[in-house]
Amino acid sequence: NAGVTQTPKFHILKTGQSMTLQCAQDMNHGYLSWYRQDPGMGLRRIHYSVAAGITDKGEVPDGYNVSRSNTEDFPLRLESAAPSQTSVYFCASSYSLKVAKMSTDTQYFGPGTRLTVL
Amino acid sequence: AQSVTQLDSQVPVFEEAPVELRCNYSSSVSVYLFWYVQYPNQGLQLLLKYLSGSTLVKGINGFEAEFNKSQTSFHLRKPSVHISDTAEYFCAVSEGRGGGSNYKLTFGKGTLLTVNP
Repeated sequence: NAGVTQTPKFHILKTGQSMTLQCAQDMNHGYLSWYRQDPGMGLRRIHYSVAAGITDKGEVPDGYNVSRSNTEDFPLRLESAAPSQTSVYFCASSYSLKVAKMSTDTQYFGPGTRLTVL
Repeated sequence: AQSVTQLDSQVPVFEEAPVELRCNYSSSVSVYLFWYVQYPNQGLQLLLKYLSGSTLVKGINGFEAEFNKSQTSFHLRKPSVHISDTAEYFCAVSEGRGGGSNYKLTFGKGTLLTVNP
């Protein structure tokens, strides 16, 4: 298993441009989430999904959109990027009750995408 | 609402010295506690977790943590550190198994452990 994969690893955008960050997992996990990591702020959750077709807002959702059409993929969309969205983005997954009828407490993180908005 | 405080943003130590990274939490309900490690330019990896039972939890790479309910703490310790332990360490808390109905995991701001030769 590759676990949680993210692409790209690095990207530079100009203000106002759009972009999609990709996240995929091959562990049959129902729960997927996006976090952003900023210096001195820890990790903050942007959006999450507990199963295909179900998404919900996290703590810092403004400026981001997500969709979940299947179990494996959970793309994060920036429609009009702003400098405040410069950050490192992590995707994380775990089992969820809705899919596996069980939950675990361990969230597995991808390697991250470092995004710079100029 | 749950919150996590990591009391030290940076902890420099010499190789083979003991280390303690401090974590305090606040929550109105029972919590589950985690320590994650992030090596430079990598994602987060679970070090250890406390769900129930023994308050002393052992994790990977020789780390351990003790849950203290009365002091609402979950400090991370290692008796002898190596250069390779240099990384950022995050304490996290969830309310309920799987983070409750929305799988919420609240992170502290992180502690950068630097191990010097």
